Amino acid sequence: DAGVTQSPTHLIKTRGQHVTLRCSPISGHKSVSWYQQVLGQGPQFIFQYYEKEERGRGNFPDRFSARQFPNYSSELNVNALLLGDSALYLCASSHAYQNQETQYFGPGTRLLVL
Amino acid sequence: AQSVTQLGSHVSVSEGALVLLRCNYSSSVPPYLFWYVQYPNQGLQLLLKYTTGATLVKGINGFEAEFKKSETSFHLTKPSAHMSDAAEYFCAVSRSNFGNEKLTFGTGTRLTIIP
Repeated sequence: DAGVTQSPTHLIKTRGQHVTLRCSPISGHKSVSWYQQVLGQGPQFIFQYYEKEERGRGNFPDRFSARQFPNYSSELNVNALLLGDSALYLCASSHAYQNQETQYFGPGTRLLVL
Repeated sequence: AQSVTQLGSHVSVSEGALVLLRCNYSSSVPPYLFWYVQYPNQGLQLLLKYTTGATLVKGINGFEAEFKKSETSFHLTKPSAHMSDAAEYFCAVSRSNFGNEKLTFGTGTRLTIIP
């Protein structure tokens, strides 16, 4: 079975630009979460979506937004990019949104902002 | 609020020796606890998790962890290290109620195996 897939794998943007990252969950999983992992740190929670509804939001500015589609795939959008947005962005999927559910992570999208 | 502290950002052990990676958590409600492993240029893979029930949890690749409420700890161990265990390990906590916070990760421990 295919795992969580993310695209693109790498991305280079300049400050002020906008970026869209994409995620396809494991087949049958209805929940998608997004995390930001800055170099040398643990992942930080950004959003969780379940059945197209936002179920959780971390401490990130409004420049970050996300949505989930009817096929349960998801997009993470970041506007007005800052140098500090350079990070590995991880998507994780799970069957449901409850906190004891195991989250399965994709390989990530590495974003570099110049 | 919830948080995780991983003592030791770098740990080195000899091949065949005991692996011990430390994790202490803080949570205002009973926690769910997780250990994930990250190999270079890859995403995170679940090693094991504690939700309820038995406090000694066995995971993949010979790892296990014990939930100790009195010590607020969830240390990861493996009796005999293998070269393939070299990776970054993350401890994470989430709430047992429906909180807005999801997984909160520690800063990670990089495990090096000495031949």
